[in-house]
Amino acid sequence: LAKTTQPISMDSYEGQEVNITCSHNNIATNDYITWYQQFPSQGPRFIIQGYKTKVTNEVASLFIPADRKSSTLSLPRVSLSDTAVYYCLVGDMEAAGNKLTFGGGTRVLVKP
Amino acid sequence: GAVVSQHPSRVICKSGTSVKIECRSLDFQATTMFWYRQFPKQSLMLMATSNEGSKATYEQGVEKDKFLINHASLTLSTLTVTSAHPEDSSFYICSARDTTGNLKTEAFFGQGTRLTVV
Repeated sequence: LAKTTQPISMDSYEGQEVNITCSHNNIATNDYITWYQQFPSQGPRFIIQGYKTKVTNEVASLFIPADRKSSTLSLPRVSLSDTAVYYCLVGDMEAAGNKLTFGGGTRVLVKP
Repeated sequence: GAVVSQHPSRVICKSGTSVKIECRSLDFQATTMFWYRQFPKQSLMLMATSNEGSKATYEQGVEKDKFLINHASLTLSTLTVTSAHPEDSSFYICSARDTTGNLKTEAFFGQGTRLTVV
């Protein structure tokens, strides 16, 4: 399983864009990059997933360079409710039994 | 989208008793489910992989006799914390993937169970 490295924490202000970069130098060919959001006392919630290049959905964008050794989650115009822990996971999601291992995550604090 | 549901959401039990936590996939079948434990301010730690119709696979350092896992159907896995002690107090989370549907690359998580052993 590819190990991931993220900043421990980030502070931001309402309305700003937040970019969180995750390093995964030993990512394998079959690995997807998936980001999850977790609020206190709740299970993680899927945000976005990608394999290469750029992916965008209604809540975030995911930028993946050609070598796939890192990825950047971009949260546009954050609000107070975006305060949470964000996890970057890398793994072969095609295999049913392939387990997901969480790294430390990035604790994002959005201030008014 | 697929939903994974856990029950109960929180439970308080006395030291020495056993507690069962249920994890259900509500609209898909899951041959494999995963159980995690999370202590305050820490990340999720994988405890075991639950396999339908066979024995669970436990991560190193996790006592299989203390954390009993049963995956008797394609939509239900249970985790039983036996002879619970205060140090077992934690947030337990299950996860499953719908590997046959359009969302097969997405892992879904239950809402978690807060266990407090007194």
